[in-house]
Amino acid sequence: NAGVTQTPKFQVLKTGQSMTLQCAQDMNHEYMSWYRQDPGMGLRLIHYSVGAGITDQGEVPNGYNVSRSTTEDFPLRLLSAAPSQTSVYFCASSSPGHLYEQYFGPGTRLTVT
Amino acid sequence: KNEVEQSPQNLTAQEGEFITINCSYSVGISALHWLQQHPGGGIVSLFMLSSGKKKHGRLIATINIQEKHSSLHITASHPRDSAVYICAGREGSNYQLIWGAGTKLIIKP
Repeated sequence: NAGVTQTPKFQVLKTGQSMTLQCAQDMNHEYMSWYRQDPGMGLRLIHYSVGAGITDQGEVPNGYNVSRSTTEDFPLRLLSAAPSQTSVYFCASSSPGHLYEQYFGPGTRLTVT
Repeated sequence: KNEVEQSPQNLTAQEGEFITINCSYSVGISALHWLQQHPGGGIVSLFMLSSGKKKHGRLIATINIQEKHSSLHITASHPRDSAVYICAGREGSNYQLIWGAGTKLIIKP
């Protein structure tokens, strides 16, 4: 199993550009989520999904969109990048069947200039 | 005020020392997670516990639900234990976790 994969690992964007961060898992987990991690702060939840076709907002959803058309994939879209979105982004998955143990992707380091 | 608080924020110790990292929470939780984030950035789950104590190698995690407190202990610490340790609580059957800010641990040889 590959676990949780994320692409790209690094990305530099100019203000106003849009892009999609990809996340995929091969563990058939129902629950997937996107976090951002900023220096000195804990993980903050952006959006999450409890299954295909179901998404909801987390703590810091503004400026981001998600969709979940399949169990495996959960892309995060930045609509119009801003310097405040410079951060490290993590995708995670979990499952009630595995007691919600969290499996994280390797992260995407995004810089917006 | 954060609902999940960790202490200390930073900890530097010598190789071989016994390490304790604390996690206190102000909300009712059904389970608590401990995770480790390596300097390279990867985050891995160490423990999930809802009561008592769990042990894995040199790592021990304890939780007291009534006192709303959990501890992560590392015995015979080693420089490779240097990482950020994060605790997160799960409320009831809620999918979402409430995250602590992390404790940065440095073990010097």
